[in-house]
Amino acid sequence: NAGVTQTPKFQVLKTGQSMTLQCAQDMNHEYMSWYRQDPGMGLRLIHYSVGAGITDQGEVPNGYNVSRSTTEDFPLRLLSAAPSQTSVYFCASKFLTGAVNEQYFGPGTRLTVT
Amino acid sequence: DQQVKQNSPSLSVQEGRISILNCDYTNSMFDYFLWYKKYPAEGPTFLISISSIKDKNEDGRFTVFLNKSAKHLSLHIVPSQPGDSAVYFCAATTTHAGGTSYGKLTFGQGTILTVHP
Repeated sequence: NAGVTQTPKFQVLKTGQSMTLQCAQDMNHEYMSWYRQDPGMGLRLIHYSVGAGITDQGEVPNGYNVSRSTTEDFPLRLLSAAPSQTSVYFCASKFLTGAVNEQYFGPGTRLTVT
Repeated sequence: DQQVKQNSPSLSVQEGRISILNCDYTNSMFDYFLWYKKYPAEGPTFLISISSIKDKNEDGRFTVFLNKSAKHLSLHIVPSQPGDSAVYFCAATTTHAGGTSYGKLTFGQGTILTVHP
């Protein structure tokens, strides 16, 4: 049971490049989400999904796309990276009707956009 | 508009003493509060939580206090240990009937706790 895995761990992009941050979980969790962590801001919700084929926006969705074709995977796409997207990105998952505190976070992807 | 605030960016305490981390919130719809601990290069891990129907929850060395009228919660760690050195995030959410929630969390900025031997 690997839990929540994220790849890559580190990434450097140039402004305007695109990339996909991968997130996978093997716990059969329906709910998955993406957060970004910035200094002095805490973690902020980008997008979330309550099941395959269903996604919705969080607090800071601009510049990011998501899709959920399987229960296991929830990739986050940056179509045209900007320096303001330099951050640490965390994916999380839980059972949809599970307890609030039973949400598990991945180890994070540190992204730098130059 | 920061709905959850941790106004102390850092806290330094001696091993064996009490660590008190504070958190304030503004959204009256929040009814469930959590503390997460985060080590460098790792994701946040759940530490302790409290529902708005309680004013205290204890788990070993960790106790969370909730003052709803002041919209304030605090985490007490007694006694503090060097292994407690980490970033602590306060988070809040609104639960559905039955106490469950999708898990959309609103986080504070975090407090870096350093426990000196």
